[in-house]
Amino acid sequence: DAKTTQPNSMESNEEEPVHLPCNHSTISGTDYIHWYRQLPSQGPEYVIHGLTSNVNNRMASLAIAEDRKSSTLILHRATLRDAAVYYCILRALNTGGFKTIFGAGTRLFVKA
Amino acid sequence: NAGVTQTPKFQVLKTGQSMTLQCAQDMNHNSMYWYRQDPGMGLRLIYYSASEGTTDKGEVPNGYNVSRLNKREFSLRLESAAPSQTSVYFCASSAPGSEQYFGPGTRLTVT
Repeated sequence: DAKTTQPNSMESNEEEPVHLPCNHSTISGTDYIHWYRQLPSQGPEYVIHGLTSNVNNRMASLAIAEDRKSSTLILHRATLRDAAVYYCILRALNTGGFKTIFGAGTRLFVKA
Repeated sequence: NAGVTQTPKFQVLKTGQSMTLQCAQDMNHNSMYWYRQDPGMGLRLIYYSASEGTTDKGEVPNGYNVSRLNKREFSLRLESAAPSQTSVYFCASSAPGSEQYFGPGTRLTVT
């Protein structure tokens, strides 16, 4: 299963945009890019996913590079509630997407 | 909808004891998963069940057994607990190919 690489931590100021990068150079054509986040003492929650095109939802935007070897999760205006660990993962849907590998993720710190 | 529920929330075991972690989902999802998360680490897949009646090993299955009791329930059993199994255990469920929904976790300490 393809793996992803993310920075260990990032810091942002409240109400500023945040760009969280993810590298996935060994991504295959059938891998979807998923992002989850984990607030302190909670289970992970789904944020967004995409295959090739950029995606937007109420929580965030996902920008996918043209060669699909990297992606960026964009939080348009960070709030203190966005302080969490963000995981970028690949799901191989041609094999059911079951063996999802979560790395260590990026811990986002948000300053007031 | 309750989503994914897990019991118990906390548990302390002595080395060698056994226990079963329970998980249930009310979203009619076909697939269910068990993960463990050690301090400061990401999640590691223990077992998953692609659909009712099937189970498969994940990254770290040793020391665990699972049962997909029905479509709603997926349990994780530790037959002989070891200190290395001290962790937070998360259950999740999903529709085929869709996002996973996670439970609140069970914090297990083995002394």
